[in-house]
Amino acid sequence: DGGITQSPKYLFRKEGQNVTLSCEQNLNHDAMYWYRQDPGQGLRLIYYSQIVNDFQKGDIAEGYSVSREKKESFPLTVTSAQKNPTAFYLCASGRQGRTGELFFGEGSRLTVL
Amino acid sequence: AQKITQTQPGMFVQEKEAVTLDCTYDTSDQSYGLFWYKQPSSGEMIFLIYQGSYDEQNATEGRYSLNFQKARKSANLVISASQLGDSAMYFCAMREALMDTGRRALTFGSGTRLQVQP
Repeated sequence: DGGITQSPKYLFRKEGQNVTLSCEQNLNHDAMYWYRQDPGQGLRLIYYSQIVNDFQKGDIAEGYSVSREKKESFPLTVTSAQKNPTAFYLCASGRQGRTGELFFGEGSRLTVL
Repeated sequence: AQKITQTQPGMFVQEKEAVTLDCTYDTSDQSYGLFWYKQPSSGEMIFLIYQGSYDEQNATEGRYSLNFQKARKSANLVISASQLGDSAMYFCAMREALMDTGRRALTFGSGTRLQVQP
């Protein structure tokens, strides 16, 4: 089945460690996105990529990094520079077209111990 | 200023009744799109319905309809005949500058938690 796969679903990290969240899609979408969700808040955009080997910062990019070496993959690294990394992270992809809705993975919950 | 405002943190509705979830937005663009997503406790975001700023009719998808009032900048979601499975968080979102093929990310509101009671 086509979709977006995020892993791991749950991740625990010690302070000072970098962690990488995986996002893979087989929908053949050009655009991919990373959002962060905190309790009681909506989704905030971290990074996005419209095409392979190109990506742009979103609204809260500080302390995060990404790469886009393949169309199917858009991993997110949460670095030790991110001051408050405990959150729910959602990856999405989107197609061109009239509506251009985003399709989301099931998310990764990161907890810093 | 908030781009998307959802003023109802939580809502209750009886099973089989209709419920309206409020959403107001702020944009100076003429061409934009409005979306509603459902987020069950599992965490995945499920696309429900879309309304384009130039669409003349309100969007409908099964039991979901969007009450679009452009002059008031509101895009309320109406769920008819509520079911227990409708209990979830609901998010309103917007994409501005539809003609711009650059950033196509969505901006989200803070959400409304809907609880359907038997």
